[in-house]
Amino acid sequence: DVKVTQSSRYLVKRTGEKVFLECVQDMDHENMFWYRQDPGLGLRLIYFSYDVKMKEKGDIPEGYSVSREKKERFSLILESASTNQTSMYLCASSLKYPNIQYFGAGTRLSVL
Amino acid sequence: GIQVEQSPPDLILQEGANSTLRCNFSDSVNNLQWFHQNPWGQLINLFYIPSGTKQNGRLSATTVATERYSLLYISSSQTTDSGVYFCAVDPGRSNYQLIWGAGTKLIIKP
Repeated sequence: DVKVTQSSRYLVKRTGEKVFLECVQDMDHENMFWYRQDPGLGLRLIYFSYDVKMKEKGDIPEGYSVSREKKERFSLILESASTNQTSMYLCASSLKYPNIQYFGAGTRLSVL
Repeated sequence: GIQVEQSPPDLILQEGANSTLRCNFSDSVNNLQWFHQNPWGQLINLFYIPSGTKQNGRLSATTVATERYSLLYISSSQTTDSGVYFCAVDPGRSNYQLIWGAGTKLIIKP
């Protein structure tokens, strides 16, 4: 079974803090993705990576950065957390082909 | 860009009922996937179905690529089927990005 593990299920941070969300997959997938999900807005892609050290912006990259130093790990970084980044964050991974995406359990982040 | 529309937006059924969820897309795509998100937020891939019909237990899916729609059938619904069902299409761009529908929220009452 494919396993995608996100480091935290729930996280509470203060405005201005630097926040790291970690995601690890165990299936040797080339692609990894970070989404955020908000009520009424569906899933929106923040960043994705198709190889180690490679990254591409998704639809809403502002305020976020990512790091992929190893194939199995993809980190999402909020350099200075703001209240409008309170959301559900979902990590996914996939092979290049077929692009079947497997998701972690999600991290509910609250920025106070 | 490609538009993905799901219907109905909400569906409430009694346990044991059957249901059909629809996904329309506005242009040709490489593939289509159906996902279920449970009430705790976990997204599970149900089907990878660029065309044709697939079945998995009480669930089946059909994609008619030439007519740009896909259907997800749920038979003999159980309360554990509750949640949000998403379809997502791969338009075939080089960046592997999926285009997501807004989802159908399904509530199965005991």
